[in-house]
Amino acid sequence: DIQMTQSPSSLSASVGDRVTITCRASQGIDNRLAWYQQKPGKVPKLLIHSTSTLQSGVPPRFSGSGSGTDFTLTINSLQPEDVATYYCQRHNNVPLTFGGGTKVEIK
Amino acid sequence: QVQLQQSGPGLVKPSQTLSLTCDISGDVISNNDATWNWIRQSPSRGLEWLGRTYYRSYWYNDYAVSVRGRITISPDTSKNQFSLQLNAMTPEDTAVYYCARELHLSGFPYWGQGTLVTVSS
Repeated sequence: DIQMTQSPSSLSASVGDRVTITCRASQGIDNRLAWYQQKPGKVPKLLIHSTSTLQSGVPPRFSGSGSGTDFTLTINSLQPEDVATYYCQRHNNVPLTFGGGTKVEIK
Repeated sequence: QVQLQQSGPGLVKPSQTLSLTCDISGDVISNNDATWNWIRQSPSRGLEWLGRTYYRSYWYNDYAVSVRGRITISPDTSKNQFSLQLNAMTPEDTAVYYCARELHLSGFPYWGQGTLVTVSS
């Protein structure tokens, strides 16, 4: 099965910083890569699918890029409400594997 | 607006069967562009996709290798819902279980509220 590896596992940044999270697939996934945000005690929220397509209602400071096996979630100008754990997920074929998560905190 | 409402017990004894149901509103389970999924989350296993059911002229299922042989996901068109059965539960199956809808192979924008299932005698 294809493995999804996220890095870093956690990070701390200041309000207004640009934050980058990386997700690497063990094989190509046809750019079918989604990103989710999960706040404590809440359901995961879809931010981006197909590498770079922003879900309706998601602030434009979130963006996704990448191709092949390497993908990136960028948060431009980190806000206090962005404190959460972020997960990547392949959605090209089963099994629909998630990454291990990146916890984002405010410094 | 699609809404998914989960129901089922929060406590299951070891070796017993977990049964959860996901009621669908705002869509129909026989939607040819959708898949209906079960996902669980635990500190030890993270987010883990368990399986799905979907209709493409016939009903199909896909299951994760980790639970294959113990899992059944079934659609109920008369009630517009789908269910999860997981047999031979062990404490390692303790997790929050979610149902979720995927449309056009574009990730999971709709999730149920989650059910914390604890496996304990």
